[in-house]
Amino acid sequence: AQTVTQSQPEMSVQEAETVTLSCTYDTSESNYYLFWYKQPPSRQMILVIRQEAYKQQNATENRFSVNFQKAAKSFSLKISDSQLGDTAMYFCAFMNPPQGGGFKTIFGAGTRLFVKA
Amino acid sequence: DTGVSQDPRHKITKRGQNVTFRCDPISEHNRLYWYRQTLGQGPEFLTYFQNEAQLEKSRLLSDRFSAERPKGSFSTLEIQRTEQGDSAMYLCASSRNEGTQSEKLFFGSGTQLSVL
Repeated sequence: AQTVTQSQPEMSVQEAETVTLSCTYDTSESNYYLFWYKQPPSRQMILVIRQEAYKQQNATENRFSVNFQKAAKSFSLKISDSQLGDTAMYFCAFMNPPQGGGFKTIFGAGTRLFVKA
Repeated sequence: DTGVSQDPRHKITKRGQNVTFRCDPISEHNRLYWYRQTLGQGPEFLTYFQNEAQLEKSRLLSDRFSAERPKGSFSTLEIQRTEQGDSAMYLCASSRNEGTQSEKLFFGSGTQLSVL
């Protein structure tokens, strides 16, 4: 069974600085999808960034980028120029491709990020 | 795109009562998911539908839980004979086929259930 592990329950960063959130996962599949979701205090979860495992290039979305290390099964999120609005829970997530048995997304336990003014 | 809506936002019930939650997905999304989230934890998968067909159920979904998606539109999640351990946030999410791209989930705001 696939598992997702986030080893940092809580982190803090000064506004305008850079922070990296860690995630490791376990799977026997060769093709899969990885995501980072953000859940602000209002609790509606939104997608931050996603990565297809078959792509070697790391995904970027404005201030957010990932470091995808397939052999190490590692998928870290880097937030540059942190803003107060980045304060939230961040969840790393894993999804099998459709031919791998379905669309179930598995989430890690989350990392709570505080951005300090 | 009006987003995923869930009703009610909060539900307080007494142990042993039945409760039903509703989820309205984004209209063109054919896949709908239910998750359960307890405080400080990530969402746990419960079940998902493709159109009106329920394709997968988690072992977390005991026989007291039932979900439906008639006509492939809105979905309901019913919990019978509620227990205190059922207290959690119940999240609904929907997605659509993006071809070869990964499918991102669009979440509702959730229904917070408290069982007294």
